[in-house]
Amino acid sequence: AQTVTQSQPEMSVQEAETVTLSCTYDTSESDYYLFWYKQPPSRQMILVIRQEAYKQQNATENRFSVNFQKAAKSFSLKISDSQLGDAAMYFCAYRDGGTSYGKLTFGQGTILTVHP
Amino acid sequence: EPEVTQTPSHQVTQMGQEVILRCVPISNHLYFYWYRQILGQKVEFLVSFYNNEISEKSEIFDDQFSVERPDGSNFTLKIRSTKLEDSAMYFCASSVSRQGNSPLHFGNGTRLTVT
Repeated sequence: AQTVTQSQPEMSVQEAETVTLSCTYDTSESDYYLFWYKQPPSRQMILVIRQEAYKQQNATENRFSVNFQKAAKSFSLKISDSQLGDAAMYFCAYRDGGTSYGKLTFGQGTILTVHP
Repeated sequence: EPEVTQTPSHQVTQMGQEVILRCVPISNHLYFYWYRQILGQKVEFLVSFYNNEISEKSEIFDDQFSVERPDGSNFTLKIRSTKLEDSAMYFCASSVSRQGNSPLHFGNGTRLTVT
């Protein structure tokens, strides 16, 4: 079974600085997708960024980028120019690309605090 | 932007009672999911639903749980006889397709408290 591990229960960053959240996963599949979701105090799960395993190029979305190391099964999220609105719980998630009906496997989450 | 909506936002029930959690997925989405998050723990998959039947379910989704799409717009999760350990945040999600890069869109969740 696939597992996702986030080893940082909490992280903090100063406004305008850069922070990196770590995620590792375990799978025997070659076709899969990785996601980062944000859960602010409003509780809604918001998709931040996604990465296809077959793509070597790291995904970027504005201030958010990933460092995808397929051989190491590592998928970290970098937030540049951190803003107060980035404060949230961040979840790393894995999804099979094959016959799965869309099941996401989540990590434990990392609480990000942004200091003004 | 279309959203997944869930009602109620908070439900309190007594142990042994039946509860129904409701969700309205995004209208053109075809795949529907329920996840739960016990306080302080990770988000866990419960069930996926497509073409009016369950396509996959987890070990958590035992006979006490059922899902239904009664009218083409709502998607419900029923817990037949609630236990204290069912207290959690329940999230509904939907996606356009089952393809791996088709993102899941989540609702705001229903906090279920079983007393």
